[in-house]
Amino acid sequence: AQRVTQPEKLLSVFKGAPVELKCNYSYSGSPELFWYVQYSRQRLQLLLRHISRESIKGFTADLNKGETSFHLKKPFAQEEDSAMYYCALRGGGKLIFGQGTELSVKP
Amino acid sequence: NAGVTQTPKFQVLKTGQSMTLQCAQDMNHEYMSWYRQDPGMGLRLIHYSVGAGITDQGEVPNGYNVSRSTTEDFPLRLLSAAPSQTSVYFCATSRGESWYTFGSGTRLTVV
Repeated sequence: AQRVTQPEKLLSVFKGAPVELKCNYSYSGSPELFWYVQYSRQRLQLLLRHISRESIKGFTADLNKGETSFHLKKPFAQEEDSAMYYCALRGGGKLIFGQGTELSVKP
Repeated sequence: NAGVTQTPKFQVLKTGQSMTLQCAQDMNHEYMSWYRQDPGMGLRLIHYSVGAGITDQGEVPNGYNVSRSTTEDFPLRLLSAAPSQTSVYFCATSRGESWYTFGSGTRLTVV
């Protein structure tokens, strides 16, 4: 069965501090993993996908198959990064989400 | 190219009423999905489709019906609305190995 776990409901940091949003997954096949961001209850926007191995808005994420993790990282948080972040796993024709982590960046 | 269009944006229903949430896309995407978003629960998959004529249940399908008669449309039907179905509903579409694109959502309140 597919499962995505984001253990932190809320992560609060100060501007300029490093950020790591955790994501663990369970999937028997070869996973395709994504990070989506949602600002102020707007529609979800794609932030990263693991196969692209790119950096968007300073965020990076590395797939660790041994630890079944896909943590999202940013070395220096900005106030505009405050949003809901969702980790998602695609497999078997469907996309399953974690519970989401609210990131709050304080000035 | 409108992308993913959801209608209506807001809706208030009385318990027991039925209604259909519309989702339309003009990107020729074969994958379409419906999610509900609730505080602390993230996005939960209701139903999904991998192509016209093919639908399957997601994590929370009870109380909802779908059909996929065309590639473009994937309506979600609430058969007999209940207060527990108060939520924000998102439609999402994808093609092949690409990422999912989301609609702007429908905020539904059942009183």
